[in-house]
Amino acid sequence: DQQVKQNSPSLSVQEGRISILNCDYTNSMFDYFLWYKKYPAEGPTFLISISSIKDKNEDGRFTVFLNKSAKHLSLHIVPSQPGDSAVYFCAASNSGNTPLVFGKGTRLSVIA
Amino acid sequence: EAQVTQNPRYLITVTGKKLTVTCSQNMNHEYMSWYRQDPGLGLRQIYYSMNVEVTDKGDVPEGYKVSRKEKRNFPLILESPSPNQTSLYFCASSDPGQGAITEAFFGQGTRLTVV
Repeated sequence: DQQVKQNSPSLSVQEGRISILNCDYTNSMFDYFLWYKKYPAEGPTFLISISSIKDKNEDGRFTVFLNKSAKHLSLHIVPSQPGDSAVYFCAASNSGNTPLVFGKGTRLSVIA
Repeated sequence: EAQVTQNPRYLITVTGKKLTVTCSQNMNHEYMSWYRQDPGLGLRQIYYSMNVEVTDKGDVPEGYKVSRKEKRNFPLILESPSPNQTSLYFCASSDPGQGAITEAFFGQGTRLTVV
């Protein structure tokens, strides 16, 4: 049973527009959420995180929104750039318990 | 420079020939994990370790072994590799932090092909 779900395997967005990547989770014990970005032939790299005491965290062009009641989070990238083209993984954890649980990833393509 | 180092980066082997993929981190992290990435399946955890001499199974542990004799090293062992273990493998390390798990740092990956 998948605890972290990214239901869109791929997303295409025009350069300069907003990219919205979605993630749902089922485990109500999760209290810390992260987004990772992965380029081909490289390991995933940390992008942005949010704890369950917040509903929004912003870092430059990247904003993560958390809706605890819906067990849903989203990553917004504004404006999208061609260099943002990568696979994005959503991850969650139960702090102080086990390491991260990942979704299957969403491949974002930003078209110039 | 803070990093997680995996070796080798690429490996082609034959069915049944034991192999070890090494992983080393220089950040004094307590947590270390192994993941495999397969098309359409994302990152699946194989094994993790929350400290020296403490290891536990992840989601897909069958066919793998690990050990954590030192804090910095977490090798992944395939005693008798099979073709279904052909995959891209990532090692990761992290620290529990103050009441929350901080971000994990990943190695560059090991692409394993078992023929």
